[in-house]
Amino acid sequence: GAVVSQHPSWVICKSGTSVKIECRSLDFQATTMFWYRQFPKQSLMLMATSNEGSKATYEQGVEKDKFLINHASLTLSTLTVTSAHPEDSSFYICSGLRGGTDTQYFGPGTRLTVL
Amino acid sequence: SQQGEEDPQALSIQEGENATMNCSYKTSINNLQWYRQNSGRGLVHLILIRSNEREKHSGRLRVTLDTSKKSSSLLITASRAADTASYFCATVLISGNTPLVFGKGTRLSVIA
Repeated sequence: GAVVSQHPSWVICKSGTSVKIECRSLDFQATTMFWYRQFPKQSLMLMATSNEGSKATYEQGVEKDKFLINHASLTLSTLTVTSAHPEDSSFYICSGLRGGTDTQYFGPGTRLTVL
Repeated sequence: SQQGEEDPQALSIQEGENATMNCSYKTSINNLQWYRQNSGRGLVHLILIRSNEREKHSGRLRVTLDTSKKSSSLLITASRAADTASYFCATVLISGNTPLVFGKGTRLSVIA
């Protein structure tokens, strides 16, 4: 099966700092990647859709200047949480859509804790 | 807003029993997918069923889809303690590079 990795798997940072999370598709090309956020005991909420080589499409209520997404290649997308605050603490999960299919392959997630 | 609603929210059964989880959605879909998530981990794709399909099997999993009722069910037969996880249904409205819309999930506990 297709594999998606995320790095780091967890991060703790101080309020006001920026954190970059990487999402890589290891054995397939993902023309589209999605970023989700999951709060404890809740479902996944889509944050943005990222297409290689173009600007990300953000969901309503998600600040694009705060959550910077870059999809520079067919195997890498990054999410940067800028000026993080405690309310940004969450589990961030990315997924890659394998070309020609409707199956998304999810990364293992990154747990962000902002102190 | 979330498309799917799972029922029940939590389910506790004995090992060896069958577990049934239901999912309802609101709008027309292209396909519906079921995922599993162990606590604090990523999601594992279980099965995809298209809008023109009524039933699919994969190992101990059986998924049904009733588009007239806008509902789906996931049956896990002969459950094991290792099946303990949260299960989510997710819908795709249009085939292609459109995102999944997740339901709230069912937390399944299988007691050995």
